[in-house]
Amino acid sequence: SQQGEEDPQALSIQEGENATMNCSYKTSINNLQWYRQNSGRGLVHLILIRSNEREKHSGRLRVTLDTSKKSSSLLITASRAADTASYFCATGANNLFFGTGTRLTVIP
Amino acid sequence: ETGVTQTPRHLVMGMTNKKSLKCEQHLGHNAMYWYKQSAKKPLELMFVYSLEERVENNSVPSRFSPECPNSSHLFLHLHTLQPEDSALYLCASSPRTGGSTGELFFGEGSRLTVL
Repeated sequence: SQQGEEDPQALSIQEGENATMNCSYKTSINNLQWYRQNSGRGLVHLILIRSNEREKHSGRLRVTLDTSKKSSSLLITASRAADTASYFCATGANNLFFGTGTRLTVIP
Repeated sequence: ETGVTQTPRHLVMGMTNKKSLKCEQHLGHNAMYWYKQSAKKPLELMFVYSLEERVENNSVPSRFSPECPNSSHLFLHLHTLQPEDSALYLCASSPRTGGSTGELFFGEGSRLTVL
């Protein structure tokens, strides 16, 4: 399987706390991408990290990549209620394959 | 607004009906995709078109028939569907060079219910 697998499946935190989601994959990658999906809507690209990068930041998002462990993590700092959504990692050589996602709930 | 527009947003059809989903992108991308999203399952890549030619078909049943008349438009023709085909169908586009995929831009999806 080329798809990434996110962990945990669901995460519930209080507003202001940090949220960490993990992704594991099985094949060699050129890059790994994270996407967000609000309920019943399309996916929105958040960040792309290349295989030769170890960490990348975008606003309140921090992504790490460990190619030796074939894993990545997405950290959302100082979470807000508006961050409530599902988060997916995506990998693949020629096409992108997604997992089942982590459902994040941020409680006001 | 992502630049990818899907219509209709909601569709209810019987198993004997024929309907089509439409996707249009205004981003100048050269690749378009259909994904299927069912509850508690990973997104399933159904079809990939690059420069209007189908480059990937992940063993999708023939009751789903894609059409890509130009680089801006993508259709998914549906006929004699089954209730288990009920799902959110997502269209995406991307720039594609050398066979590799960059960032995907998704539409809002078409929610299909098969009765």
